[in-house]
Amino acid sequence: AQSVTQLDSQVPVFEEAPVELRCNYSSSVSVYLFWYVQYPNQGLQLLLKYLSGSTLVKGINGFEAEFNKSQTSFHLRKPSVHISDTAEYFCAVSRGSARQLTFGSGTQLTVLP
Amino acid sequence: DAMVIQNPRYQVTQFGKPVTLSCSQTLNHNVMYWYQQKSSQAPKLLFHYYDKDFNNEADTPDNFQSRRPNTSFCFLDIRSPGLGDAAMYLCATSRDLGGGTNYGYTFGSGTRLTVV
Repeated sequence: AQSVTQLDSQVPVFEEAPVELRCNYSSSVSVYLFWYVQYPNQGLQLLLKYLSGSTLVKGINGFEAEFNKSQTSFHLRKPSVHISDTAEYFCAVSRGSARQLTFGSGTQLTVLP
Repeated sequence: DAMVIQNPRYQVTQFGKPVTLSCSQTLNHNVMYWYQQKSSQAPKLLFHYYDKDFNNEADTPDNFQSRRPNTSFCFLDIRSPGLGDAAMYLCATSRDLGGGTNYGYTFGSGTRLTVV
């Protein structure tokens, strides 16, 4: 079995400041890791994914994440946020042979002017 | 653009009245998924189809059923909606079940279901 923990349910940050959204996972097998963003009343949009290779993954909208196997973490970062980044962010891992996604509980990022 | 389309975006149904949510895809992906997302919670997998093979999650209530008449379409049927079934329902697709450089999921915009 595997689980995903997003340590912060709410992250307020001022515009143009850096942000880090934390994600830790537990799994007994190799994992694929994802970050999704969800704007109000919309579906999920893939920000970035880690399948293999370089542990630093760059995604859309200036976001990046680093896979750290020893710490079982996959934290999401952006050096300078915009008001438009206000949204819910979900970390997810694949599971088993069917590769279904298991989601974390989400982090609401609110960018303040 | 290839995509996953969910209709309708908003659905209101009466308590106990059967309702069907629709999902279509132009990606020609083999796998289609249905997730339930209640307010301020993470999406929860209900079931998935790999081609015509149906796979139900162990804790998905019997009230929820699904049909996949062809590659492009997948339906979520709620036989007797209760107030607790009000949620956003997300459809997703993936090319296959295994890994691969193109591995990933594509989500639709969701259908928000209200039960009155």
